[in-house]
Amino acid sequence: ELKVEQNPLFLSMQEGKNYTIYCNYSTTSDRLYWYRQDPGKSLESLFVLLSNGAVKQEGRLMASLDTKARLSTLHITAAVHDLSATYFCAVVAFQGAQKLVFGQGTRLTINP
Amino acid sequence: NAGVTQTPKFQVLKTGQSMTLQCAQDMNHNSMYWYRQDPGMGLRLIYYSASEGTTDKGEVPNGYNVSRLNKREFSLRLESAAPSQTSVYFCASSVPPGRGEKLFFGSGTQLSVL
Repeated sequence: ELKVEQNPLFLSMQEGKNYTIYCNYSTTSDRLYWYRQDPGKSLESLFVLLSNGAVKQEGRLMASLDTKARLSTLHITAAVHDLSATYFCAVVAFQGAQKLVFGQGTRLTINP
Repeated sequence: NAGVTQTPKFQVLKTGQSMTLQCAQDMNHNSMYWYRQDPGMGLRLIYYSASEGTTDKGEVPNGYNVSRLNKREFSLRLESAAPSQTSVYFCASSVPPGRGEKLFFGSGTQLSVL
């Protein structure tokens, strides 16, 4: 059974700092997603990582995937308040349908 | 662009009542999903439908039934609601598997069972 674990679960940081959220998963998969959720809102897709070594960047966020280590990272550079949200990683369980297994989420708070 | 539309947005039920959550997508996606979100647990898959005419159980199917009415619509039914089903429910859809595309989520239904 595929398990997906994120850490940290809660992260409070200052504007301008850098930090990384980690996503570990327990079985082989070559497809990983990062989502953002604002309080009371739905999930917004950030990145789709499709192969080992994949790296994607948008603004102050950069995501990478190491399928051999079963690890993805979401790196935040020079954080700004607008990035405060909960971030989820999700891994595809099998290929028949895009059956995603989600991590618990990381609640990120960025303080001025 | 409507995307994925869920109704209702909020619902309060008494234990034992039944209700159906509706979901429709206008993106011509084959696959549709129902997830529930509980604090500290991420999203858990209840049921999914890889294509019109097929449905399969996810991680937490007990107490729920689904119907893939057509390619656009995928409903979730609670036959006899229980307090443990208090949660936020999300419907999602995606393009055919193998294309590496993301899931598109609806806005969610906040359900309270008293």
